[in-house]
Amino acid sequence: DTAVSQTPKYLVTQMGNDKSIKCEQNLGHDTMYWYKQDSKKFLKIMFSYNNKELIINETVPNRFSPKSPDKAHLNLHINSLELGDSAVYFCASSPDGNQPQHFGDGTRLSIL
Amino acid sequence: QKEVEQDPGPLSVPEGAIVSLNCTYSNSAFQYFMWYRQYSRKGPELLMYTYSSGNKEDGRFTAQVDKSSKYISLFIRDSQPSDSATYLCASYGGSQGNLIFGKGTKLSVKP
Repeated sequence: DTAVSQTPKYLVTQMGNDKSIKCEQNLGHDTMYWYKQDSKKFLKIMFSYNNKELIINETVPNRFSPKSPDKAHLNLHINSLELGDSAVYFCASSPDGNQPQHFGDGTRLSIL
Repeated sequence: QKEVEQDPGPLSVPEGAIVSLNCTYSNSAFQYFMWYRQYSRKGPELLMYTYSSGNKEDGRFTAQVDKSSKYISLFIRDSQPSDSATYLCASYGGSQGNLIFGKGTKLSVKP
């Protein structure tokens, strides 16, 4: 059973397009996150949601909009994709803040 | 200055060696420390989770935290080729749930 699952695994698209990445967790956790891992493998938090409410919103362009329909799902929508958005995006979840986080296997986004 | 510093390596050792991976952190308020292992094309996988200073052992892995010097370590005994991965240290700082990662150390264990 996959604990944190993301779809799609790979996303190749043109600059200027709008795309979404979906994330679901079946761990019963209250908090979910989105991270970006750049080409140098540095992992940085983008957003955190606790029970469908936004908790953390790091300095991220407003082209990125997270949406949490329920506490088991946290989707990421990206408008007007740019070359610099190419990265691996990871979803994670934890029982609450300050607890270890469990990660999905990532979505590899490539902008042409 | 980044809040969690980690030597990116790469680090190459022979099978059976003892591996020492290290990080330093700058924020005295950090209380929770984690080590994650990341295989190629996979997500980070939690290895060890410690609170405050001291040692924690789990099989071949030992995590060590020295809060006085703001130093965290992961030791791997009897290293195996399957341990070849990138190891990320992390700690909580600032906002609740704001996990700060080091840049990761790439480890290769040669048979």
